[in-house]
Amino acid sequence: GENVEQHPSTLSVQEGDSAVIKCTYSDSASNYFPWYKQELGKRPQLIIDIRSNVGEKKDQRIAVTLNKTAKHFSLHITETQPEDSAVYFCAASKLQGGSEKLVFGKGTKLTVNP
Amino acid sequence: DTEVTQTPKHLVMGMTNKKSLKCEQHMGHRAMYWYKQKAKKPPELMFVYSYEKLSINESVPSRFSPECPNSSLLNLHLHALQPEDSALYLCASSQVPGLDEQYFGPGTRLTVT
Repeated sequence: GENVEQHPSTLSVQEGDSAVIKCTYSDSASNYFPWYKQELGKRPQLIIDIRSNVGEKKDQRIAVTLNKTAKHFSLHITETQPEDSAVYFCAASKLQGGSEKLVFGKGTKLTVNP
Repeated sequence: DTEVTQTPKHLVMGMTNKKSLKCEQHMGHRAMYWYKQKAKKPPELMFVYSYEKLSINESVPSRFSPECPNSSLLNLHLHALQPEDSALYLCASSQVPGLDEQYFGPGTRLTVT
């Protein structure tokens, strides 16, 4: 079945630095790749997503890149701020039983030090 | 209204109890989901409802029974749970199953004693 690997599991950066989180997936039929941010004690919230017909997408300080050939996608956060500290999950879509679902990576705990 | 609501926020139940978790959305979404999340782990999919029909059951034990009474409501009925079922139960909804932003509710923190 679909497998989504996410690295690193923890990441610590200084405020103002960039952070990069990488994910790989196994199902070549996957065509939707969202990133969720979950702050401590809060619900997961979508921060950016990308579909298979696009190689890169940017929203202010956040960008996602997708390499369908290599089956990997990455989240890039520039000019990090303490409020970016959270757990980030990547996910990939998978068709199952005629319906689509998301398969999540194991998460990356990002800490931005002031 | 872009919010998914869940009740109760917290629930403590014994292994012989029967309880229900409730989820509601008024965004007109036609896909709704139940996830289970343990501490420091990703959300783990349990069920997907698409157009009020159960479309995915991730081999969840029968002590968990989902129900979708209408397009806005999703319930999860609990019976004879085990202590290892203690977790955060998240409901989510999206316009299109699996291929669109999923809006998560705040979750129900369940403790089984």
